[in-house]
Amino acid sequence: DGGITQSPKYLFRKEGQNVTLSCEQNLNHDAMYWYRQDPGQGLRLIYYSQIVNDFQKGDIAEGYSVSREKKESFPLTVTSAQKNPTAFYLCASSIGGTSGGYEQYFGPGTRLTVT
Amino acid sequence: AQKITQTQPGMFVQEKEAVTLDCTYDTSDPSYGLFWYKQPSSGEMIFLIYQGSYDQQNATEGRYSLNFQKARKSANLVISASQLGDSAMYFCAMREGPIGGTSYGKLTFGQGTILTVHP
Repeated sequence: DGGITQSPKYLFRKEGQNVTLSCEQNLNHDAMYWYRQDPGQGLRLIYYSQIVNDFQKGDIAEGYSVSREKKESFPLTVTSAQKNPTAFYLCASSIGGTSGGYEQYFGPGTRLTVT
Repeated sequence: AQKITQTQPGMFVQEKEAVTLDCTYDTSDPSYGLFWYKQPSSGEMIFLIYQGSYDQQNATEGRYSLNFQKARKSANLVISASQLGDSAMYFCAMREGPIGGTSYGKLTFGQGTILTVHP
């Protein structure tokens, strides 16, 4: 089955620790995205990547970092510099590339709680 | 200014009736795309329907249709014959710029509307 996987579904961390959220897709999509969602709110773009070894900051990139070493993988690290990291994190992908693409397909999300 | 505005925090509808969820957008780019997503309580985002700014006809996908009024900058989602399983949060989103352009498919989301379907 083609799709996007995010693991784990729930993640708990102590304040001051970095944590990496996994996102893998087997849709052969070029573009991948990370969003953050706070309770009762819409999605806000953290980082996005159009091709391997290239990525751009979104609207709320401070305190986060990403890498894109493989087409199918786009891990997100929430660093200790992120002031309020507790949130629901969603990874997405789209055809991207020179064709641009239409809809984004989303993974099931990771709910991160930092105490 | 908000690029995507969803003015209805919550909507209620009786099963089997139709419901319209409002979305207005703001862009100066002549080329853009509008999307609707459904988010059930489990959290995943499900793509419902897409409308391109140059599309002449309103988009339809099964029970979903998009009422696109370009001059008013509105892109309302119409769900016909509501089902209990339609109860969820619904998000309107916009991609600015043409497909394949420098926007790289970035989406801006509205705040969402919670739809509750009553039996």
